[in-house]
Amino acid sequence: DGGITQSPKYLFRKEGQNVTLSCEQNLNHDAMYWYRQDPGQGLRLIYYSQIVNDFQKGDIAEGYSVSREKKESFPLTVTSAQKNPTAFYLCATGGGGDYQPQHFGDGTRLSIL
Amino acid sequence: RKEVEQDPGPFNVPEGATVAFNCTYSNSASQSFFWYRQDCRKEPKLLMSVYSSGNEDGRFTAQLNRASQYISLLIRDSKLSDSATYLCVVNMGTASKLTFGTGTRLQVTL
Repeated sequence: DGGITQSPKYLFRKEGQNVTLSCEQNLNHDAMYWYRQDPGQGLRLIYYSQIVNDFQKGDIAEGYSVSREKKESFPLTVTSAQKNPTAFYLCATGGGGDYQPQHFGDGTRLSIL
Repeated sequence: RKEVEQDPGPFNVPEGATVAFNCTYSNSASQSFFWYRQDCRKEPKLLMSVYSSGNEDGRFTAQLNRASQYISLLIRDSKLSDSATYLCVVNMGTASKLTFGTGTRLQVTL
């Protein structure tokens, strides 16, 4: 079954804790993205990676970190430095060039305990 | 000015109605354009790409006006299942990064 798998679906973070959100894809897409969505707001880009072992900051990278050791995987860590982490986190992939659409996983909802 | 601007709605329309959404974008260098649909508490899903010549997919028609930096989506014969938020999405010409509008909410009623 091809696609993008995000886990977990729901995640709770305690004060001062780092948490890691998983994103795995078997679409063989080079580019992967992390977005954050807050209620009533558009998606905002956190980090993106166009190739293995390389990634760039998006518009709201502070308090987050990523790695891209494998083509299939692009995990996002929400660090304790992110003071307002409660949001819907969406991972996306893009294949086939600069001007193609992106496709999304079904998201992870992160809340503060 | 926001990079991608949409009327947030909500648009409340009866079943069978025709409804149109508009979107404006700020960067004239933008290269590609899309409409996504997002159901409540779900991920966005690609509805259609928008081409310069305009394009149609069943009841949905998308138009692009580069001179006015304006994109539209027309839904004919609205169904209850069309109720969702419609996101206007633009590639601003920087690598493969997309910029999302905040969405227009559509509620189709009996």
